[in-house]
Amino acid sequence: EPEVTQTPSHQVTQMGQEVILRCVPISNHLYFYWYRQILGQKVEFLVSFYNNEISEKSEIFDDQFSVERPDGSNFTLKIRSTKLEDSAMYFCASTDGNSGANVLTFGAGSRLTVL
Amino acid sequence: AQSVTQLDSQVPVFEEAPVELRCNYSSSVSVYLFWYVQYPNQGLQLLLKYLSGSTLVKGINGFEAEFNKSQTSFHLRKPSVHISDTAEYFCAVSDGPEFSGGYNKLIFGAGTRLAVHP
Repeated sequence: EPEVTQTPSHQVTQMGQEVILRCVPISNHLYFYWYRQILGQKVEFLVSFYNNEISEKSEIFDDQFSVERPDGSNFTLKIRSTKLEDSAMYFCASTDGNSGANVLTFGAGSRLTVL
Repeated sequence: AQSVTQLDSQVPVFEEAPVELRCNYSSSVSVYLFWYVQYPNQGLQLLLKYLSGSTLVKGINGFEAEFNKSQTSFHLRKPSVHISDTAEYFCAVSDGPEFSGGYNKLIFGAGTRLAVHP
């Protein structure tokens, strides 16, 4: 079964450092998303991406965050200057756009720890 | 804006007992509804979805859910749970096809931790 692949599975970084989380969505999918889950809390929407541009973003997705699809396969989330409160599990998701609904396939997540 | 309320943060249950995990969403013209499961240290796996049609939807691992429009609920049920069902369960909603073709974000509830005891 096709999978959404995320790397790294766990990253530890110092406050103020830049972090790039990588995702390889399912190959025929067209819509891409990043969500995050702070430990013990709900899964929160960050951003959606379609046709090489952001479709929607939440208030969490401020100027410190950016997304990119640099080569037609990877979908990256960059945090420019990490804060302690960015520590969370980050999930990438994608959908093919043919089901008529948001049937998202999620990756296993990248756990970010900011010290 | 859509919101989802999962009324129970934790549900302990004995193996082979029935279970119901409750989910209510805020009203909208039309919605798509989902249940996802998260096993320890893993990602989110789709259990089942309601898009249209029959209000009783069946998913993987013997789970089912019933869409109740009048009560804006989408409760998840399983008649007999197994130890391996121990996990976090998330209810999620997105706006239906009247809104931007349906490709809107999912809004998740806070989750319900199901703990199945022998």
